[in-house]
Amino acid sequence: GENVEQHPSTLSVQEGDSAVIKCTYSDSASNYFPWYKQELGKRPQLIIDIRSNVGEKKDQRIAVTLNKTAKHFSLHITETQPEDSAVYFCAATGGRSQGNLIFGKGTKLSVKP
Amino acid sequence: DTGVSQDPRHKITKRGQNVTFRCDPISEHNRLYWYRQTLGQGPEFLTYFQNEAQLEKSRLLSDRFSAERPKGSFSTLEIQRTEQGDSAMYLCASSQHSGQGDSPLHFGNGTRLTVT
Repeated sequence: GENVEQHPSTLSVQEGDSAVIKCTYSDSASNYFPWYKQELGKRPQLIIDIRSNVGEKKDQRIAVTLNKTAKHFSLHITETQPEDSAVYFCAATGGRSQGNLIFGKGTKLSVKP
Repeated sequence: DTGVSQDPRHKITKRGQNVTFRCDPISEHNRLYWYRQTLGQGPEFLTYFQNEAQLEKSRLLSDRFSAERPKGSFSTLEIQRTEQGDSAMYLCASSQHSGQGDSPLHFGNGTRLTVT
């Protein structure tokens, strides 16, 4: 079945450094790739997304890149701040109708001041 | 726009009992999703609706789980004969699907189920 692999599972960086999280997906029909941030005890919240007809998208300190040939996509956070500390999930569309999202297992990011 | 709301926030039940959760999506959204999340894992897809039609159900979903969205607005998720392995956070999400594409999924705060 469809699968989304996410690495690393934990990531610790110093404030101001960059953080990169990588995901691979198995369903070649996947066409939408969102990233969610989940703080402890809270709901997942969308931070950025990319569609299959775009290779890169940027929003201030956050960027996502997509390589459809290799079936992988990455999240880049620059100039990290302590408030970036959270669990980040990648996802890709899947299922018969491509209507649902398949999530990775998450990356716990810790930004040390 | 009050966001996606779920009720109850917490539910503790004894093994073997039935439980029902409710989700009210964002009012203009026609798609509604149910996910389950356990500690240290990503949300796991359970099922989703477009309006009142249930379009897809996870192959991993036990027959003890059933979901409805009778009028295309709120949805209920029922778990019959609960087991300890059903303990998890049950997340609801909604989105707007149209010919021009889909809006992102917006999640509710979830219902935390504990089966003792």
